Amino acid sequence: AIQLTQSPSSLSASVGDRVTITCRASQGISSALAWYQQKPGKAPKLLIYDASSLESGVPSRFSGSGSGTDFTLTISSLQPEDFATYYCQQFNNYPPITFGQGTRLEIK
Amino acid sequence: QVQLVESGGGLVKPGGSLRLSCAASGFTFSDYYMSWIRQAPGKGLEWVSYISSSGSTIYYADSVKGRFTISRDNAKNSLYLQMNSLRAEDTAVYYCARDRGDYFLSYWYFDLWGRGTLVTVSS
Repeated sequence: AIQLTQSPSSLSASVGDRVTITCRASQGISSALAWYQQKPGKAPKLLIYDASSLESGVPSRFSGSGSGTDFTLTISSLQPEDFATYYCQQFNNYPPITFGQGTRLEIK
Repeated sequence: QVQLVESGGGLVKPGGSLRLSCAASGFTFSDYYMSWIRQAPGKGLEWVSYISSSGSTIYYADSVKGRFTISRDNAKNSLYLQMNSLRAEDTAVYYCARDRGDYFLSYWYFDLWGRGTLVTVSS
């Protein structure tokens, strides 16, 4: 199974900051990557698919990039509601699909 | 509204069984591929099982193969997960999730999730 490694595992930032989270795949996955946001006690929410396509209704401050093995999720200007845990997920080789271990974004 | 609602979780002893249900509403359930995904307490997400829109194609994670059975009843807009021979490591919140694709094509990422149901396996 393809392994996804996210970095950092946790991150402290302030409202208004620009934040980047990285996801690295153990082998090439083309652009078959999605990003999700999860808040405590809630289900994950799809943010980005196909590495860079913004899901309908998701604010434009979220963006994704990358292909092959290296991917990034960027939040251009952090808002209070963005503090959450973020997961990447590959869907190039399946089954199984796999998720990264998560990046917890905390308020500084 | 468009939603998925899981039920059936609870406390069960090791070796026991449990059946989870997921009720879909607000969309044409029979058009969508579905998956179960779980999250152990304080841990990340793990895909468990997948079923095609018609129910003819099914996959399982190696960790549950031979113990769990996924099924669906399109007439009842419902997805199920029968879990047998449960182990402590199966303790998790179980989410049902809708595939982004359509009746003919699965994209293997998920645009609608339920709120989850907690399964605790402990003696």
